[in-house]
Amino acid sequence: GAVVSQHPSRVICKSGTSVKIECRSLDFQATTMFWYRQFPKQSLMLMATSNEGSKATYEQGVEKDKFLINHASLTLSTLTVTSAHPEDSSFYICSARDLFESDTQYFGPGTRLTVL
Amino acid sequence: GENVEQHPSTLSVQEGDSAVIKCTYSDSASNYFPWYKQELGKRPQLIIDIRSNVGEKKDQRIAVTLNKTAKHFSLHITETQPEDSAVYFCAAPISGGYQKVTFGTGTKLQVIP
Repeated sequence: GAVVSQHPSRVICKSGTSVKIECRSLDFQATTMFWYRQFPKQSLMLMATSNEGSKATYEQGVEKDKFLINHASLTLSTLTVTSAHPEDSSFYICSARDLFESDTQYFGPGTRLTVL
Repeated sequence: GENVEQHPSTLSVQEGDSAVIKCTYSDSASNYFPWYKQELGKRPQLIIDIRSNVGEKKDQRIAVTLNKTAKHFSLHITETQPEDSAVYFCAAPISGGYQKVTFGTGTKLQVIP
């Protein structure tokens, strides 16, 4: 099956720093990737849709200047959490949709962000 | 936009029994309904999905049923095993393109040996 990788798997940073998370589709092309945030014991909340070669679209309530998304190629999307604060601590998961499969999303393993 | 409700939030069953998780959705145009299994600290894994042109789909011990009129779909796990213990999420498409989905609130399934 399709494989999505995410890096890093875990990051601890100080408040005020920026953190970049990479999401890669390893064996398929993904024109669209999605970024989710998941707090403990809660569901996945869609943050933004990342489109190759164009600007990301953000869900209501998600600050685009705080969560910078870049989708520079068909296999890579990055999420940068700028000026991170403790309330940004969460599990960030990306997913990618195969260009040639209409609906299925494949998830990355997630990144556990802890902001001190 | 799409609103997905999922019940129950927790479910405990004896090993070998069946488990049923139900979801309702609001957008009658929705046409794709995946189910994901997520173990603690890991990624959601697609376990089964159904498209609106069928009413039921089965894959070994897992089945999904869809009632488009009532706008609800259910996950059925038969002959449950301890390794089925996890959190299960249903999802449904959000209108507006790009195949976005919204997730249900999740069901924590515990299979008691």
